[in-house]
Amino acid sequence: GENVEQHPSTLSVQEGDSAVIKCTYSDSASNYFPWYKQELGKRPQLIIDIRSNVGEKKDQRIAVTLNKTAKHFSLHITETQPEDSAVYFCAIGNEKLTFGTGTRLTIIP
Amino acid sequence: DAGVIQSPRHEVTEMGQEVTLRCKPISGHDYLFWYRQTMMRGLELLIYFNNNVPIDDSGMPEDRFSAKMPNASFSTLKIQPSEPRDSAVYFCASRSDRTEQFFGPGTRLTVL
Repeated sequence: GENVEQHPSTLSVQEGDSAVIKCTYSDSASNYFPWYKQELGKRPQLIIDIRSNVGEKKDQRIAVTLNKTAKHFSLHITETQPEDSAVYFCAIGNEKLTFGTGTRLTIIP
Repeated sequence: DAGVIQSPRHEVTEMGQEVTLRCKPISGHDYLFWYRQTMMRGLELLIYFNNNVPIDDSGMPEDRFSAKMPNASFSTLKIQPSEPRDSAVYFCASRSDRTEQFFGPGTRLTVL
């Protein structure tokens, strides 16, 4: 079945610095790679996604890069702000999603 | 649209009791997913439906768990009998072919 490894499990960065979270996967059939943000006590919410025919996608301070050959994709958050503190999940799939184990990101003011 | 609706939001029950969780997907969405989230196991897909038909229930832990989708606007996840290890947050999510997957607010289940 699908397997997604997500690193690091925890990440602390100074406000204003960049944060990078990486996921590797084994299922080469996956074509959809979303990232979800989950604040404490809330539901996961999509922040950005990418499909396999695209190598990079950017939305303001957030970007995702995909390397299908190496089977890894990464989330990049620039100019981090305190409200970026949350748990971030990567996922892979087509019809259904398999989620990574999550990264707890803490922004230090 | 109100988004995905789940009820109850919190449920506390005793071991051995039956628990029923409910979900109303976003109108027009033909996929519905049930997830369970725990610290130890993360976010696990239990079962999903397409056009009210169960497609993949390989994530359902055991026979104590069952899910139904009698129509396009309603689904239930039932646990009978419940056990303390079933304590978790259960999320329902829905999407269509043209949209992202939206999660409901979740049901926090505590089995004593």
